[in-house]
Amino acid sequence: SQQGEEDPQALSIQEGENATMNCSYKTSINNLQWYRQNSGRGLVHLILIRSNEREKHSGRLRVTLDTSKKSSSLLITASRAADTASYFCATNFNKFYFGSGTKLNVKP
Amino acid sequence: NAGVTQTPKFQVLKTGQSMTLQCAQDMNHNSMYWYRQDPGMGLRLIYYSASEGTTDKGEVPNGYNVSRLNKREFSLRLESAAPSQTSVYFCASSTRDRNYEQYFGPGTRLTVT
Repeated sequence: SQQGEEDPQALSIQEGENATMNCSYKTSINNLQWYRQNSGRGLVHLILIRSNEREKHSGRLRVTLDTSKKSSSLLITASRAADTASYFCATNFNKFYFGSGTKLNVKP
Repeated sequence: NAGVTQTPKFQVLKTGQSMTLQCAQDMNHNSMYWYRQDPGMGLRLIYYSASEGTTDKGEVPNGYNVSRLNKREFSLRLESAAPSQTSVYFCASSTRDRNYEQYFGPGTRLTVT
């Protein structure tokens, strides 16, 4: 079974709105990473948050981590049509486990 | 810098046939991985290699074998393909220096009939 689970499974918003995706996981982690996948392509790394960090920013991305609840969230602010993609969280503790992903559609 | 390359891009096999998926990286990474991605699902780890000369099973290793040929190359072999192995296969590499951030290849789309 997969370590991480994202919700929602799908999200549709208008350009300019914020998009929030959540990830829950089951066991201990060294760090948690978020990836983006455009249709039919390989995954691209977005941001990493270590287990001793609570929040991290990178451009329009904000990631939070709550190890007591075993959950993380990814916020994309001021979304653009080019942000349309699937987003996956991945937990790292000796091995990598990916969640099932959130499919984001940003309408122009 | 090509990053992570995979061959072939597409492949159709009949049940029982064998084939090897090739992966190479030019980033001098120690760790390499093979994943499969089924429709609507995330990636599942098949095998990984923490360093040259070592390989370990991931979440779904049954029906696959791997070879870490050298630091650059990590191949995945299907000895007797089954329809359940129809999937998109991704190779990735990483290094401890970058917290094992994964760099992915473009994928191989495999169909087993």
